[in-house]
Amino acid sequence: KQEVTQIPAALSVPEGENLVLNCSFTDSAIYNLQWFRQDPGKGLTSLLLIQSSQREQTSGRLNASLDKSSGRSTLYIAASQPGDSATYLCAVKDTGTASKLTFGTGTRLQVTL
Amino acid sequence: DGGITQSPKYLFRKEGQNVTLSCEQNLNHDAMYWYRQDPGQGLRLIYYSQIVNDFQKGDIAEGYSVSREKKESFPLTVTSAQKNPTAFYLCASSSDSQRTQYFGPGTRLLVL
Repeated sequence: KQEVTQIPAALSVPEGENLVLNCSFTDSAIYNLQWFRQDPGKGLTSLLLIQSSQREQTSGRLNASLDKSSGRSTLYIAASQPGDSATYLCAVKDTGTASKLTFGTGTRLQVTL
Repeated sequence: DGGITQSPKYLFRKEGQNVTLSCEQNLNHDAMYWYRQDPGQGLRLIYYSQIVNDFQKGDIAEGYSVSREKKESFPLTVTSAQKNPTAFYLCASSSDSQRTQYFGPGTRLLVL
């Protein structure tokens, strides 16, 4: 059974700092991995999707990497801003299941002025 | 605007009552999903549908039911058999089961 872990559970950084969020998964037979952002009381917004054959994806100040063999992904946020404050969720789609995403519990990020 | 809508934003359930959460999408997506989110836990899949008139149980389907009579709509009923229904419910859709899932704003269900 796939398990997804995100460390740390919470993180507070001053504005302008670069930061890394971590995601690990137990079964490397994945189809893709996604990073989502969730604001309090809101739905999820997809940030980046990495296919299993890819090593990284970039969107603006965000860069996600994938090391499938070691079961790890990182989300790098450059020059953090207060508007980046949210919970970041990692989710894995396994190859053996048609539709299921397995989610981590998230990292709650606060960027302070 | 294209997107996914969920209603209501807040829903209150009395003991023994069935309640239905609405999810509508105008993205022309074939696949739709229902997730439950509890504090400190990741999202868990309740039911999913890859095509109209077909749906499959997820990891925590007990106490829930769904229908998929129209491509645009995937309502979720929380039955009285669900003993701990208080949670945040999220609906999602995707063009097919391998693509990015797009999420609605969620419905928070509370028990009176």
